[in-house]
Amino acid sequence: SYVLTQPPSVSVAPGQTARITCDGNNFRSTSVHWYQHKPGQAPVLIIYYDTERPSGIPDRFSGSSSGDTATLSITRVEAGDEADYYCQVWDRDSAHQVFGGGTKLSVL
Amino acid sequence: EVQLVESGGDLVQPGGSLRLSCAASGFMFNFYWMTWVRQAPGKGLEWVANVKPDASDTYYVDAVKGRFTISRDDAKTSLFLEMTGLRAEDTAIYYCAGFDLTSATHDAFDIWGQGTLVTVSS
Repeated sequence: SYVLTQPPSVSVAPGQTARITCDGNNFRSTSVHWYQHKPGQAPVLIIYYDTERPSGIPDRFSGSSSGDTATLSITRVEAGDEADYYCQVWDRDSAHQVFGGGTKLSVL
Repeated sequence: EVQLVESGGDLVQPGGSLRLSCAASGFMFNFYWMTWVRQAPGKGLEWVANVKPDASDTYYVDAVKGRFTISRDDAKTSLFLEMTGLRAEDTAIYYCAGFDLTSATHDAFDIWGQGTLVTVSS
């Protein structure tokens, strides 16, 4: 089964680039998805299949994956980007979903 | 408009039961794997259960296996979660979500509801 590890928090100044990592195991057999979750709202899919962006998501959000680490990058960070961010994979063998512990992004 | 609307959350005593519902609209519900995800107070997202598009199979996180039952009614485009033997640690906001393996986003959750709060306390 998968275990996904994220840093609990990341802080960045407005206009800078935030990078949130997701360490896992055996990412070669699955794809990593990323969600933005603001208090009182539904989570929103922002990156799927490691690097793909759904329609309507700004190109300031991007994803990458190398070895057993996936990374969400947010360029030109804005105050409105403050949220919790989660990585997630699907274990096809067990049909179980796994979420990382989440990273709270703070904009200084 | 694509929409998932959860209902049924409530305050319930330990050992009690509760049934959550999720009404879907605006998309091909019968194509979607449907899921319950929860978030306990101050904690992260936790996957709870999946049901396949044809309802032929269901899957559960170990913590709820044998106590929770996920089901769906495609004719009514609705998802359910029957919860029994509730414990304090089941206290959480419960979200319904879905993914379509035939879509571009494949196994990513591209549809989410706003959630319903379940509180287990005496």
